[in-house]
Amino acid sequence: KQEVTQIPAALSVPEGENLVLNCSFTDSAIYNLQWFRQDPGKGLTSLLLIQSSQREQTSGRLNASLDKSSGRSTLYIAASQPGDSATYLCAALDSWGKLQFGAGTQVVVTP
Amino acid sequence: DTAVSQTPKYLVTQMGNDKSIKCEQNLGHDTMYWYKQDSKKFLKIMFSYNNKELIINETVPNRFSPKSPDKAHLNLHINSLELGDSAVYFCASSHAGLAGEGADTQYFGPGTRLTVL
Repeated sequence: KQEVTQIPAALSVPEGENLVLNCSFTDSAIYNLQWFRQDPGKGLTSLLLIQSSQREQTSGRLNASLDKSSGRSTLYIAASQPGDSATYLCAALDSWGKLQFGAGTQVVVTP
Repeated sequence: DTAVSQTPKYLVTQMGNDKSIKCEQNLGHDTMYWYKQDSKKFLKIMFSYNNKELIINETVPNRFSPKSPDKAHLNLHINSLELGDSAVYFCASSHAGLAGEGADTQYFGPGTRLTVL
């Protein structure tokens, strides 16, 4: 059974610092790895999707890497801003077509 | 334009009641999902429908019954509500419903916060 873990559970950084969010998964037989953002009381917003054959994806200040063999993905957010404060969730699409989520990393960027 | 919409946004009800949550997507996707987010914020899939056909059914009490009248709608009906059903329920949709290379990202609705008293 796929288990997805996110470390740390919470993170607070001053504005301008780079953010590094970690995600690990136990079963490397995934089809893709997705990163989402969730704001309080809101739904999830898709940030990046990395197919299993890819090593990384980039969108603006966001960069996500994927290492299937070690069961890890990392989300980098460059030059953080207060508007980046949210909970970030990673999710692995397993061979059954199910998206398995981690518990999330709650990020606070202080001005 | 709202891509994935859910109604109602909030639902407060008594134990033992029956309630429904509606979901609609205007993205032309063929697969829709229901997720439950518990008090610890952990998201877990409940059901998935592809072209109105059930393809994923997690270990969910049979008091929960999804219904898909067409590709754009997936409703969730809950019978005999219990305290433990209190959670936020999210609907989502995507293009590719079956696992494989090219499986698309999922688009989520805003959630329905269900409180059972």
